Amino acid sequence: EPEVTQTPSHQVTQMGQEVILRCVPISNHLYFYWYRQILGQKVEFLVSFYNNEISEKSEIFDDQFSVERPDGSNFTLKIRSTKLEDSAMYFCASSEALPGQGAYGYTFGSGTRLTIV
Amino acid sequence: DQQVKQNSPSLSVQEGRISILNCDYTNSMFDYFLWYKKYPAEGPTFLISISSIKDKNEDGRFTVFLNKSAKHLSLHIVPSQPGDSAVYFCAAIGGGADGLTFGKGTHLIIQP
Repeated sequence: EPEVTQTPSHQVTQMGQEVILRCVPISNHLYFYWYRQILGQKVEFLVSFYNNEISEKSEIFDDQFSVERPDGSNFTLKIRSTKLEDSAMYFCASSEALPGQGAYGYTFGSGTRLTIV
Repeated sequence: DQQVKQNSPSLSVQEGRISILNCDYTNSMFDYFLWYKKYPAEGPTFLISISSIKDKNEDGRFTVFLNKSAKHLSLHIVPSQPGDSAVYFCAAIGGGADGLTFGKGTHLIIQP
């Protein structure tokens, strides 16, 4: 069964540094997403990406964050000037279409645990 | 602002019995609802979904019921099996948004 692959599984970064989280979505999917889950809290939407541009972003996704699909297969999330509160599980997901509009649901990756020290 | 609420952080059910997980929502723009299951150290796995034009959707042991007037949905698992022990997230989407709004999850524990 096709999978969404995320690397690394665990990333430790010093506060103030930049970090790039990587994802390989399912190959025939058109929509790509990043979500995060701070420990003990709910899964939160960050951003969706479609047709090589951001389709929608949440309030969390401020200028500190950016996404890119550099080569047609990878989908990356860059966090600049990391803060302690950026520590969370970051999940990448992809779908053929939006849920309820041709797709039943996303396929999520296993996540990257980001720890800012 | 919790637009999707799962008021039970945990639920314990005996193996073979029915598990019922509940979810309430406040946003009238939501028109599609999903349940995800999550094991530790894994990403959420899609389980079942329902459109707001339906009141029931069934897939094997899993059935989702939607009461639109009450803004309430539930997931029924019959019969419950040990492998069903996981955290279950209710999620919703609608109003032209791309992103899912998740509840906080319910930790289901199936006891032998």
